[in-house]
Amino acid sequence: AQRVTQPEKLLSVFKGAPVELKCNYSYSGSPELFWYVQYSRQRLQLLLRHISRESIKGFTADLNKGETSFHLKKPFAQEEDSAMYYCAADGATNKLIFGTGTLLAVQP
Amino acid sequence: GAGVSQTPSNKVTEKGKYVELRCDPISGHTALYWYRQSLGQGPEFLIYFQGTGAADDSGLPNDRFFAVRPEGSVSTLKIQRTERGDSAVYLCASSLNGGAVANEQFFGPGTRLTVL
Repeated sequence: AQRVTQPEKLLSVFKGAPVELKCNYSYSGSPELFWYVQYSRQRLQLLLRHISRESIKGFTADLNKGETSFHLKKPFAQEEDSAMYYCAADGATNKLIFGTGTLLAVQP
Repeated sequence: GAGVSQTPSNKVTEKGKYVELRCDPISGHTALYWYRQSLGQGPEFLIYFQGTGAADDSGLPNDRFFAVRPEGSVSTLKIQRTERGDSAVYLCASSLNGGAVANEQFFGPGTRLTVL
């Protein structure tokens, strides 16, 4: 079955510390991978997608097909990064399969 | 420009009642999606429209759930004989078009449905 797994419900770090939000996927074929973010009282929005190979707000994510992972990383966390982060996959079906999300809390 | 809008923002109903949830996609977006998000979970796919037709309704949990998009723009998600387990946030998203290369999906603010 197609599945996206985010093992951590909560990740708490101090400002300036590195951040890694874990995501693993189980899919047949080669899905497209995404990270979505939801800031407090805002709607869900796309942060980045693996085909773009971009760095958005200092975040990057590398697709590792061998480990079927798409971890989200940032070298120095900022307080404004505190939000709910969802990893998602699309196997060319136009439907996103989401993980359960990780709440990132950046302490001052 | 205006993003995806959803009405109502909150809906409280009683078990057994019928509810309709509305989604206005971004103008010009041909693809529209409905998701359901239960507490502590990620969004769960329900149905995807390409234009007026439902291209994939495999996520609808049972025949109490139905969605329409008669003119290829606004969509309505309809739930009959609501049950307490239907309580969730219902999210709508739209994208420029569907297709083999996934377009970015833009999400609405959601409708929080509570079934008493």
